[in-house]
Amino acid sequence: EIVMTQSPATLSVSPGERATLSCRASQSVSSHLAWYQQKPGQAPRLLIYGASTRATDIPARFSGSGSGTEFTLTISSLQSEDFAVYYCQQYYNWPPLTFGGGTKVEIK
Amino acid sequence: EVQLVESGGGLVQPGGSLRLSCAASGFTVSSHYMTWVRQAPGKGLEWVSIIYSAGTTYYADSVRGRFIISRDNSKNTLYLQMNSLRAEDTAVYYCARDPHNTGYYSPWGQGTLVTVSS
Repeated sequence: EIVMTQSPATLSVSPGERATLSCRASQSVSSHLAWYQQKPGQAPRLLIYGASTRATDIPARFSGSGSGTEFTLTISSLQSEDFAVYYCQQYYNWPPLTFGGGTKVEIK
Repeated sequence: EVQLVESGGGLVQPGGSLRLSCAASGFTVSSHYMTWVRQAPGKGLEWVSIIYSAGTTYYADSVRGRFIISRDNSKNTLYLQMNSLRAEDTAVYYCARDPHNTGYYSPWGQGTLVTVSS
């Protein structure tokens, strides 16, 4: 089973600033990496797949990068609606699908 | 519009059973990989089960032998039969669609809460 590790667990950022979230895989997942956003009381929403492809209707301020074992989600200029928990998920070697533990982006 | 609506959650005693439903609209369930993911209170996401378009099924080790994933093509609905429930199965259960049958999921349903407690 591929273990996904996200850091930091919590990120405090001021509105308008850049946020950089990290995700590491225990072995290479090539570019088979997705990012999801989850707001309180809501279901996860797909942001990025293929490590860097934005899903439909996702704003351009969200970008993904990386391959192999190291991945980054960048939010270029945080908006109020971006404060949420973000999860990475690998789909290179599955089942099982595996998720990272999440990074909570909170208002500084 | 592609939409998933879960139902069937509730309070159940340890050892009991529950069947979750996930009604789909805007697409055909049998054409896509469909999955169940759960989230214990205050915790992260945990994959539970998947059914491929061809009908093959897989389960997480934590639920194998107790849960059964299935679908009713005539109702365009996905199910999760949960038996021998334990306190650690308490979670919000989400169903989700794999749009390209490659391993990532969109959309997700709104979730249904399962509480296992005496």
